[in-house]
This record gives sequence, structure tokens and C-alpha cells, in this order.
Amino acid sequence: DQQVKQNSPSLSVQEGRISILNCDYTNSMFDYFLWYKKYPAEGPTFLISISSIKDKNEDGRFTVFLNKSAKHLSLHIVPSQPGDSAVYFCAASEPGAGSYQLTFGKGTKLSVIP
Amino acid sequence: NAGVTQTPKFQVLKTGQSMTLQCAQDMNHNSMYWYRQDPGMGLRLIYYSASEGTTDKGEVPNGYNVSRLNKREFSLRLESAAPSQTSVYFCASSGTGTLNTEAFFGQGTRLTVV
Repeated sequence: DQQVKQNSPSLSVQEGRISILNCDYTNSMFDYFLWYKKYPAEGPTFLISISSIKDKNEDGRFTVFLNKSAKHLSLHIVPSQPGDSAVYFCAASEPGAGSYQLTFGKGTKLSVIP
Repeated sequence: NAGVTQTPKFQVLKTGQSMTLQCAQDMNHNSMYWYRQDPGMGLRLIYYSASEGTTDKGEVPNGYNVSRLNKREFSLRLESAAPSQTSVYFCASSGTGTLNTEAFFGQGTRLTVV
């Protein structure tokens, strides 16, 4: 049973427009959510995170929104740039014994068209 | 600053062969992790080590063993490789404490078992 779901395998957006990537989760114990970006043949790189005590976190062009009641989070990229083309993974963790094991979604491949 | 370094980057094994994937981090992180990524799947946790001297199973531990050699190094061993273990393996590390910290990933090891 998938605890973190990214229902859109792919997304295409015009350069300069907004990209919205969505993620749903089922585990109520998750308290920390992260987005990772992955280019081919590279490891995932951390993009932005949000704690469950917040509903929004911004970092430059990237904003993550969290709706706890709906168990839903989204990543907004504004404006989208061709270099943003990558696979984006949503991940979540729950309070643990000193480590932060992440549960990942399957990823959404974003293509930003020039 | 190298971050998380994995060796080798590529490996082809025959069914039944054994091998060890090496991982080292230079960020003084307490926790280290091994994930695997399969096509169309997110990253799945194999094993993790919350701190030096401890290791625990993740979501998909069967067929693997790990060793936390010291604070810097965390190795993953396949005792008798099977075609189902063909995957891309990622090592990661993270800090611990009262604040959640993101995991940093290595560049991955692409393993093919024939």
C-alpha cells in the first residue's frame, strides 16, 4: 500500500508559466514533507521541505503548500524554466528514533518547454 | 566538499555472485541509508543506520546485509545476487537533532544482475 502517492507520472509546462506538482499521503503520522529533484544519472537533490506545523514554505521560485486535513501537498514553481525539467519526488517522514527515514512517491517527470 | 560518495558507479554481476557497495559521507552525519530505485518506482528504503553501531531494516531488506563501519562509512552487501536486484542503489545521509534535516544522496550505483 503506497503511503505517498504522486498520481501524475508526467507534466509539461511552457517556460515562464507555473508548474504545479501534487502529492497525496495516507499516513497520519507523517510530520515532515520534502521535495527532491532528480536529473538522469544523478542522485536526488533536496529542493524544499515543510513541517506539519506549517501550511506554506517558500524558497525563491519554489513554494510548497500543505493541506493536512486533505493529506495533500503541492509544489509550485514560478516561473518555470527549462532547467527545471527533471523528475520530482515527494517524500515524507514520521517521528523516529533519531533518524529520518523517508517514504517516497513514484515521482513526476516535469518537462518545461522553451 | 564531496558530500556522499558511492562506489562503484556501475556494476554487472552474474546471478549468485556477491558484491559490496561502498558509501562514505564527509558531512559528519549520524544517520545513513540505502535506497533502491526501480523503473516507475520511487526510492525504497533497504536498510538504515540511525547512528554508528546500529542498523535496522527498511521496507525491502531481503537479500541484503549492511555494515556501519564507522561514522563515515555504510556498506551494502549482496551475498548472492539475483536478477530482481537489478536496480539503481542510492546511499544517503542526514543529521539528527531536534530539527528535521533533509537527506543528502550520492550519485548512485547502477547494478545489473544477469
